[in-house]
Amino acid sequence: DSGVTQTPKHLITATGQRVTLRCSPRSGDLSVYWYQQSLDQGLQFLIQYYNGEERAKGNILERFSAQQFPDLHSELNLSSLELGDSALYFCASSVVLGGQETQYFGPGTRLLVL
Amino acid sequence: AQSVTQLDSQVPVFEEAPVELRCNYSSSVSVYLFWYVQYPNQGLQLLLKYLSGSTLVKGINGFEAEFNKSQTSFHLRKPSVHISDTAEYFCAVSDAYGQNFVFGPGTRLSVLP
Repeated sequence: DSGVTQTPKHLITATGQRVTLRCSPRSGDLSVYWYQQSLDQGLQFLIQYYNGEERAKGNILERFSAQQFPDLHSELNLSSLELGDSALYFCASSVVLGGQETQYFGPGTRLLVL
Repeated sequence: AQSVTQLDSQVPVFEEAPVELRCNYSSSVSVYLFWYVQYPNQGLQLLLKYLSGSTLVKGINGFEAEFNKSQTSFHLRKPSVHISDTAEYFCAVSDAYGQNFVFGPGTRLSVLP
């Protein structure tokens, strides 16, 4: 158990809909990362937040957005969903010790768009 | 920017045999290297990581990896595999600040009885 929690575990929705995925980082971790794992694209980094601010952006579509709240939990919003958005969405939190960062992954949310 | 290549998409091996999963990377800066395992229907778990120091890194579940800077490789090895090692293995690289995290395409290890 990494200490990172994600809800829901599974989500089934239809094309055109909007969903919100939630991530709670390990206690004390300030950074949250979001990743997408799909059959087509493999594992991809989407976006990173640090203490409420966007820190880095990867291959995140304009239809997707994220935010990190004052209590450090994060939400990933996916809108105008397409079939190709079906994937496993991971979040990870990280700690920096001595200038070195280590990520801890949550169990993921499996999204199926029908 | 970093990139990662895992040459073998699938590796079948018999139980108790040794295994090596290959990983090569490219980067213009110093890197950190990682191996993650994903068991069927589960999330990612860190196996081991190379940040600095000794080039031979020992991880969990009897795995080890060796960082070879001249060959830009970070191959994962285990001297004797178990059925329970059947999983997908991902090599990953980041810059030396832990940023710009990139995963390889993964290698599916199947351990046969």
